[in-house]
Amino acid sequence: GESVGLHLPTLSVQEGDNSIINCAYSNSASDYFIWYKQESGKGPQFIIDIRSNMDKRQGQRVTVLLNKTVKHLSLQIAATQPGDSAVYFCAESSLGSWGKLQFGAGTQVVVTP
Amino acid sequence: DAGVIQSPRHEVTEMGQEVTLRCKPISGHDYLFWYRQTMMRGLELLIYFNNNVPIDDSGMPEDRFSAKMPNASFSTLKIQPSEPRDSAVYFCASSLWLTEVDTQYFGPGTRLTVL
Repeated sequence: GESVGLHLPTLSVQEGDNSIINCAYSNSASDYFIWYKQESGKGPQFIIDIRSNMDKRQGQRVTVLLNKTVKHLSLQIAATQPGDSAVYFCAESSLGSWGKLQFGAGTQVVVTP
Repeated sequence: DAGVIQSPRHEVTEMGQEVTLRCKPISGHDYLFWYRQTMMRGLELLIYFNNNVPIDDSGMPEDRFSAKMPNASFSTLKIQPSEPRDSAVYFCASSLWLTEVDTQYFGPGTRLTVL
């Protein structure tokens, strides 16, 4: 996962544009990945997940892409809205360690009008 | 569904005091997780239960921390004695079953401040 630090990476996006949030993971045994959204003062909220036997999965306005070769995960948000402003976390787990989700440090998305 | 319920939402206490955080998982969920979130360390899994039995507590920082799940609808995380470095947001999460689909549903969290 991403290194943990005092300051979250920030992605500033104009309303209506598409957002791409990236996540690098280090465990090649990870086979299940989840994106969570955390708004200020709230708990993480499930957005979308993907298994390692897939390279793309689409939801409502969101798409997750998985590149196992370079251990990279991305979340694309189409037509970003002010309500999309939040911290986005990727999380991973592996066979035999389900439940032990490893969370990345998160990316702060700020949607500007 | 009410979702995962945690109480209190905010707790301010003094160093050395006992703190008890409470969680009610989503009805029917048989896995329950306790996490801690800080700016420095992000989200860390402390312990998780399956059918009220602790499965993995390797994330519990030290003996000052203990967690119980006396029944399927209630769990507690206790810190005794509390220290300023325990200040964090503590989340409880639950999931229906632990398979490939590892969707955990989080509560709103308890913000703990130890003075």
